[in-house]
Amino acid sequence: DIQMTQSPSSLSASVGDRVTITCRASRSISNYLNWCQQKPGKAPKLLIYAASSLQSGVPSRFSGSGSGTEFTLTISSLQPEDFATYYCQQSDSIPWTFGQGTKVEIK
Amino acid sequence: QVQLQQSGPGLVKPSQTLSLTCAISGDRVSSNTAAWNWIRQSPSRGLEWLGRTYYRSKWYNDYAVSVKSRITINPDTSKNQFSLQLNSVTPEDTAVYYCARDGEYCSNGVCRLIIDYWGQGTLVTVSP
Repeated sequence: DIQMTQSPSSLSASVGDRVTITCRASRSISNYLNWCQQKPGKAPKLLIYAASSLQSGVPSRFSGSGSGTEFTLTISSLQPEDFATYYCQQSDSIPWTFGQGTKVEIK
Repeated sequence: QVQLQQSGPGLVKPSQTLSLTCAISGDRVSSNTAAWNWIRQSPSRGLEWLGRTYYRSKWYNDYAVSVKSRITINPDTSKNQFSLQLNSVTPEDTAVYYCARDGEYCSNGVCRLIIDYWGQGTLVTVSP
């Protein structure tokens, strides 16, 4: 199985801050990397697929980059509704696997 | 717009069978460009993919090794839904269970399946 490792596990930031979350795969997955957002008590929501493609309806302040084993999710200007937990997920091969999550909290 | 609606009991006794159903609207369980997953989430295991079913001229299933001996995922084309059965449950199977769709996304001639829609989640507690 492909192991996905995120860093940091949590971070505190203020509204308007630029936030960066990193995800590392245990082997190369090309660009088969997706990011989702989860709020408490809700199902995850797809934000970015294929490392850098924005899902329809997702604000442009979210962006993704990377390929191979190193990937990044960036929120250019954090908004109040962005405080949530973010997960990376690989879609290179079954079984689908997820990172452990990064919780973005209000500073 | 695809919507997934889960149903099933929230409490299961140890050694019994966990059964959940996911009703699909906005797509077909027999679609040739989708797959239908069950995923669970717990504090100890995080998000854990359990398995999926999909149709490509015939029905296929993929299952996680960790549950392969206990899991069955079945499509129901007459009701446009799919189900999860997990046998011989223990307290370690306590989790929020989600159904989810793999949708097909294509770029530069390459198509891949991406988890794009999720059900609302069902908290299943395994307890006497």
